[in-house]
Amino acid sequence: DTGVSQDPRHKITKRGQNVTFRCDPISEHNRLYWYRQTLGQGPEFLTYFQNEAQLEKSRLLSDRFSAERPKGSFSTLEIQRTEQGDSAMYLCASSPPEMEKETQYFGPGTRLLVL
Amino acid sequence: AQKVTQAQTEISVVEKEDVTLDCVYETRDTTYYLFWYKQPPSGELVFLIRRNSFDEQNEISGRYSWNFQKSTSSFNFTITASQVVDSAVYFCALSEARGGGTYKYIFGTGTRLKVLA
Repeated sequence: DTGVSQDPRHKITKRGQNVTFRCDPISEHNRLYWYRQTLGQGPEFLTYFQNEAQLEKSRLLSDRFSAERPKGSFSTLEIQRTEQGDSAMYLCASSPPEMEKETQYFGPGTRLLVL
Repeated sequence: AQKVTQAQTEISVVEKEDVTLDCVYETRDTTYYLFWYKQPPSGELVFLIRRNSFDEQNEISGRYSWNFQKSTSSFNFTITASQVVDSAVYFCALSEARGGGTYKYIFGTGTRLKVLA
């Protein structure tokens, strides 16, 4: 089985620039989640998709953040006008539709550094 | 509100010692799920176990065991005969049930385990 993949693995950008991250879930997983993890903390929920529908967004997801999942397959997370406080690990997870197997499997993450 | 507390920030043990990682949770839901994940230095979260709120049976998987006690809202994780490869950050997580399945996870702050040779 191919796991969740994320691209890029690392991103360094200057404050004010836009960045976009991609997540490819495990095939046939209909649920996809984005989390953010800062140093010394656990992951914090950002947003959730079921198929192509974005069903919930955290208050952490300011208007500079946007996520999409066209056609219910891969997802992108874009941050506009990045700020130094956006520096973090961005994690993507996916889970299968079968209730008895409902567990989120995480990708390797994209580590963002905003200078 | 849901909350997960991992009071142990860092634990160091010598190889072959047993170690228990504590997890205390808060939720108003009657149906919920609890998880443990391992995060090695590479950064990827590795799923270890899922437990639903109706199943209080303890579970053992090799050197790993989990003790779920609803009465104390705890879901503790024990590693028996620890090995250097067990060194990682371990996260406990809680999820409310929605639509029959899980939903967003609430993570604790993690416990960094260092196993010394």
